[in-house]
Amino acid sequence: NAGVTQTPKFRILKIGQSMTLQCAQDMNHNYMYWYRQDPGMGLKLIYYSVGAGITDKGEVPNGYNVSRSTTEDFPLRLELAAPSQTSVYFCASSYFLGGQNNSPLHFGNGTRLTVT
Amino acid sequence: AQKITQTQPGMFVQEKEAVTLDCTYDTSDPSYGLFWYKQPSSGEMIFLIYQGSYDQQNATEGRYSLNFQKARKSANLVISASQLGDSAMYFCAMREGYQAGNQFYFGTGTSLTVIP
Repeated sequence: NAGVTQTPKFRILKIGQSMTLQCAQDMNHNYMYWYRQDPGMGLKLIYYSVGAGITDKGEVPNGYNVSRSTTEDFPLRLELAAPSQTSVYFCASSYFLGGQNNSPLHFGNGTRLTVT
Repeated sequence: AQKITQTQPGMFVQEKEAVTLDCTYDTSDPSYGLFWYKQPSSGEMIFLIYQGSYDQQNATEGRYSLNFQKARKSANLVISASQLGDSAMYFCAMREGYQAGNQFYFGTGTSLTVIP
């Protein structure tokens, strides 16, 4: 059981380049999330998905896109990278059923992205 | 209004002493869950403890306990017998049970340093 797997771990992009951050989970979780964490700060939600084929914007979606074609995978696409997107990106997953909210977020190990 | 507030940017504690990290929350949802995460300098997010809004007793997990005061909307983390390995950032988070999107809201974190 690998949990949440994120690739790559590190990446340097030039301004204007594009890339996809990969995220996969093997826990059959219905909910998946992408967060960014700027240095010394908390987590900000970029996008989330409540199931395959359904995605929605979080707090800071501009400059990013996501898709969820399967339960397991939730890639994050950065188009036209900008220095403001320099951050650590975390993918996470959780299970949610009805009013039950006791399932914690399970995080990947993060991707450290630098845009120069 | 902030959903989760952590008012202590940094805390110091002597090794083997207990320490309390503060967290207050804001929600009108009767069903919610409160979570604490640890982020060591290596960067991963580690789930520590969960408290449900309907739980009658405070949650405990080993040296971690959650001081849940529902009327005050506070969910403080207590770490007993601090160890050097407890030095890390600690994040409080909330999940609302019935709100659309079922997002997790994070505080800005508290940096804990354990002094030998």
